[in-house]
Amino acid sequence: AQSVTQLGSHVSVSEGALVLLRCNYSSSVPPYLFWYVQYPNQGLQLLLKYTTGATLVKGINGFEAEFKKSETSFHLTKPSAHMSDAAEYFCAVSGGSGTYKYIFGTGTRLKVLA
Amino acid sequence: DADVTQTPRNRITKTGKRIMLECSQTKGHDRMYWYRQDPGLGLRLIYYSFDVKDINKGEISDGYSVSRQAQAKFSLSLESAIPNQTALYFCATSDLTGREQYFGPGTRLTVT
Repeated sequence: AQSVTQLGSHVSVSEGALVLLRCNYSSSVPPYLFWYVQYPNQGLQLLLKYTTGATLVKGINGFEAEFKKSETSFHLTKPSAHMSDAAEYFCAVSGGSGTYKYIFGTGTRLKVLA
Repeated sequence: DADVTQTPRNRITKTGKRIMLECSQTKGHDRMYWYRQDPGLGLRLIYYSFDVKDINKGEISDGYSVSRQAQAKFSLSLESAIPNQTALYFCATSDLTGREQYFGPGTRLTVT
């Protein structure tokens, strides 16, 4: 069975500050992990994904995430927040060859303060 | 052009009406999915289809039905809409591994 937990439904940071959005997962098989961003009144946009290989994954808009198997975590970071980063962010996990399951976290809404 | 398209993008309907949401894809994928998104709940799976003849219920299928008209088309129907079906609906596709899904832009449905 798989599950995803996103700690903090709302996160506020100042413009220029570090962004850290937390995601922990559970999976009985090696997972694929994803971060999506949803801007107001828009669809889901893939930020980055981890499949295999390098555990530090770089995505669009300066975001990156690190897969830490020992901590079952896939936290999303960005060194310096910009006003345009204000959005909702979803972590998701899939796993197992032939799986159909794509489990989403409940989302974290990021607010960037001027 | 977008690989996964959804129509309509926005819809307002009345309680008791039948409504169909349509999804088309040009990715050549066999697998297609319908999700709904509600604030604070993330995305939840309504139905999924592994191919034209293989349709399965997801975790929240009550009140919904689907039709897979072709490999590229997967429609979601609300036979008699109710207000708590007001949500953002996403269609997605994947290849046979199912390990990565590709999402459409979403349909915002409001039931009054």
